Amino acid sequence: KAGVTQTPRYLIKTRGQQVTLSCSPISGHRSVSWYQQTPGQGLQFLFEYFSETQRNKGNFPGRFSGRQFSNSRSEMNVSTLELGDSALYLCASSSTSNNEKLFFGSGTQLSVL
Amino acid sequence: DAKTTQPNSMESNEEEPVHLPCNHSTISGTDYIHWYRQLPSQGPEYVIHGLTSNVNNRMASLAIAEDRKSSTLILHRATLRDAAVYYCILRLPTSGSARQLTFGSGTQLTVLP
Repeated sequence: KAGVTQTPRYLIKTRGQQVTLSCSPISGHRSVSWYQQTPGQGLQFLFEYFSETQRNKGNFPGRFSGRQFSNSRSEMNVSTLELGDSALYLCASSSTSNNEKLFFGSGTQLSVL
Repeated sequence: DAKTTQPNSMESNEEEPVHLPCNHSTISGTDYIHWYRQLPSQGPEYVIHGLTSNVNNRMASLAIAEDRKSSTLILHRATLRDAAVYYCILRLPTSGSARQLTFGSGTQLTVLP
């Protein structure tokens, strides 16, 4: 079974631009969540989608948004990029059973110049 | 989410057992104890989880104190590939809840050859 796939692996943008990151979950998984990882703040929850609906959102500004498609693939978008948005963005998928484990992708490393 | 406390770093010799401690004195009766690890340049990887009883799987063992205020992840024979940051996380078991994990700073495990 293929794991969680995130594209692109690396991305370089400049301040003020916007960026879209993609995540393909494990086949059959309907929940996709996103995390931001920085050296200073560690791993922080961004949001989670389940059956195309955002179910929970972390403490991030509205510039960070996401969506999920009917095939469970998910995208997250960051608009008006700031230098502080430079981070590793991780996507995780899980099945619907109770207290199931999360499967993470390798992430997209975003650098904002 | 209840808070966990872990040592910042630990060292172990290759092929020796490793005991990674985690304190969670404010744990509630329904919190599950999860462990994830993150190898360099990868997303976090599920290791093990438990509620009250000790748990074993092919990767590790989880020993949970009787009062549940602490737990220990046990790697029976550390290998160089086990060098990673290990995260101890508490999660509510509610079915259908958001798959949100609250990561602390974790323990950086160094395995010496």
